[in-house]
Parts: sequence; C-alpha cells; structure tokens
Amino acid sequence: QKEVEQDPGPLSVPEGAIVSLNCTYSNSAFQYFMWYRQYSRKGPELLMYTYSSGNKEDGRFTAQVDKSSKYISLFIRDSQPSDSATYLCAMTFGAAGNKLTFGGGTRVLVKP
Amino acid sequence: DAMVIQNPRYQVTQFGKPVTLSCSQTLNHNVMYWYQQKSSQAPKLLFHYYDKDFNNEADTPDNFQSRRPNTSFCFLDIRSPGLGDAAMYLCATSRGLTVGEEQYFGPGTRLTVT
Repeated sequence: QKEVEQDPGPLSVPEGAIVSLNCTYSNSAFQYFMWYRQYSRKGPELLMYTYSSGNKEDGRFTAQVDKSSKYISLFIRDSQPSDSATYLCAMTFGAAGNKLTFGGGTRVLVKP
Repeated sequence: DAMVIQNPRYQVTQFGKPVTLSCSQTLNHNVMYWYQQKSSQAPKLLFHYYDKDFNNEADTPDNFQSRRPNTSFCFLDIRSPGLGDAAMYLCATSRGLTVGEEQYFGPGTRLTVT
C-alpha cells in the first residue's frame, strides 16, 4: 500500500465549476501538507501549504486537512481552463526534515 | 527570470551508455534535490545535497550518482542506464532543510533509454 493515495483522474469539469481533489494517507505522523500544480512538461510549483488540521483559503483555492480521517482536500472555485494541470499532494513531518512524500497526482481538465 | 534550470530538457541515451543531467539555480539555495518521476507516478526523491553534504536515499540504486561542484550547479549521473530508468528527472532547491520549507522545481529533463 502506498503511503499517499491520490486518484489519477482525469477529472474533467466545465469552466466555472468547483474542482474537488483529495488524498488519503496512512502515516499518522504527517503534519505538513502541500498541494503542488504541475503543468505539462513543467516542474511542480507550490500552490498551498497547511500545517496540522483545519482549512486554509487563498483566492480561489481552499485546502482542508482532516487528520483524524487521514484525508486532505483541495477545492478550486470558479475553475478556469488555465487550471488544467496535474495536482500533486505532498506531506512531511518533523523528523523527516524537508523530505516530501508525494501522491501520484490527479490530472484535471477544465473545458471552456 | 528562470530560477531552477535543467539541461537538456529532453535526453535520449542508449541502454548502458552513461548519461549526465544538469541542474543550475539562481536562488543561492543551500539544498539541491534530485527526483525521479515516472509516468503518472509520484516524484521519488533520489538524493539531496545540503551545501556539500550528500544525502542518499536508502533505496536509490548505485547506478545513480550526483555531483555538486559549487552552490549553483548539481549533476545527476546515471552510470549504466536501463530501460527502467526512463523517466522525468526533476531538480529542486530549497533554502534549508527546515520541515515544510518550500521546494522550487525546475522544468525537468525527460530521459528516454533506447
């Protein structure tokens, strides 16, 4: 079993819809949770970063962490065609330093 | 104003022929990482440098080596590429190793082994 599971998609939505992405994980030690966006033929770029449980909002993006369920989510409101990309979750914990454990990514396609 | 640059973007090599991938950074970061990302899979950390200190992941094959001659440059050497080494190789940097510190990724080098 992988430490971090993520549905590979593709997830296809019409422009303006809410995109809902999630990851489940097995290691209860994870404390720091990130979402990266990766466009085709580009490297990942950090979108959102949260520590422990709770919600964090940044513009059209909302990240949620539910440590009791070992489940994290990313919501994209008012989705745009430019949001079409692969979204990777990543996580780490104190003793791991800055070593990230990534999910396999979900490919998202926002259709105009 | 590219921050993490990888060359070449695409590399084709023959089975067993050594190949070197290059990464440079303009961020003056202390840490440089190499990841392997196979199609539709999670990036897998191979190793990282903190300044000149090299840290190899336990499951990184001996076939993979790295060099960091100075702060700006880091190289990934694959001594005898096999077909299973075909992947995207991502270089990343961070200021330090504090947990959760942002990692900045380059665009990657896609390696094909024939």
